[in-house]
Amino acid sequence: GAVVSQHPSRVICKSGTSVKIECRSLDFQATTMFWYRQFPKQSLMLMATSNEGSKATYEQGVEKDKFLINHASLTLSTLTVTSAHPEDSSFYICSAWDRGRPGNTIYFGEGSWLTVV
Amino acid sequence: QKEVEQDPGPLSVPEGAIVSLNCTYSNSAFQYFMWYRQYSRKGPELLMYTYSSGNKEDGRFTAQVDKSSKYISLFIRDSQPSDSATYLCAMSANTGNQFYFGTGTSLTVIP
Repeated sequence: GAVVSQHPSRVICKSGTSVKIECRSLDFQATTMFWYRQFPKQSLMLMATSNEGSKATYEQGVEKDKFLINHASLTLSTLTVTSAHPEDSSFYICSAWDRGRPGNTIYFGEGSWLTVV
Repeated sequence: QKEVEQDPGPLSVPEGAIVSLNCTYSNSAFQYFMWYRQYSRKGPELLMYTYSSGNKEDGRFTAQVDKSSKYISLFIRDSQPSDSATYLCAMSANTGNQFYFGTGTSLTVIP
């Protein structure tokens, strides 16, 4: 079963509003979570790395004031898209690193489709 | 040069065929190797992971790592239409370190 849950799976919001996406690790503590953006038929684009209790590290070209990431607990990270615009419409995916499992693996959430109208 | 190279395909095979998916990489420090399957409009799902070199088998899937050639493969035996998806390879050097992904290979298994 899913070990990382992402919510909501789909959201439609109006231009100028903010929307929050949650990423939860269900049966493990995730000290590190990652946020990605994916356009249709394209590969994952890492947006930021989120470490519990500290500020997120953003990839070059990603606006940290627009994409607010909070990782306040070991099982929850949130991505808030502020003042959303239609060009922010995309598929957003989170993943979480489980240091307690064999191998060095990360697990993905189901993804969230954001449509800004 | 990208850290990880993966042929995007698309790859189309008849049902029952053996599928070979491959990635090459440039960083000799990579030790952890993963394969993910992503269905359309869904998040990637971990299929298999391996550490260092060697083979690992899980049902119809076999993952191979050749560190000397910096080459990893995923084989799918007796491919099924339900295997139609995009397959992503991923790798990292140390635990909890950065993860590097291939661009994904789109696979279609034709009934």
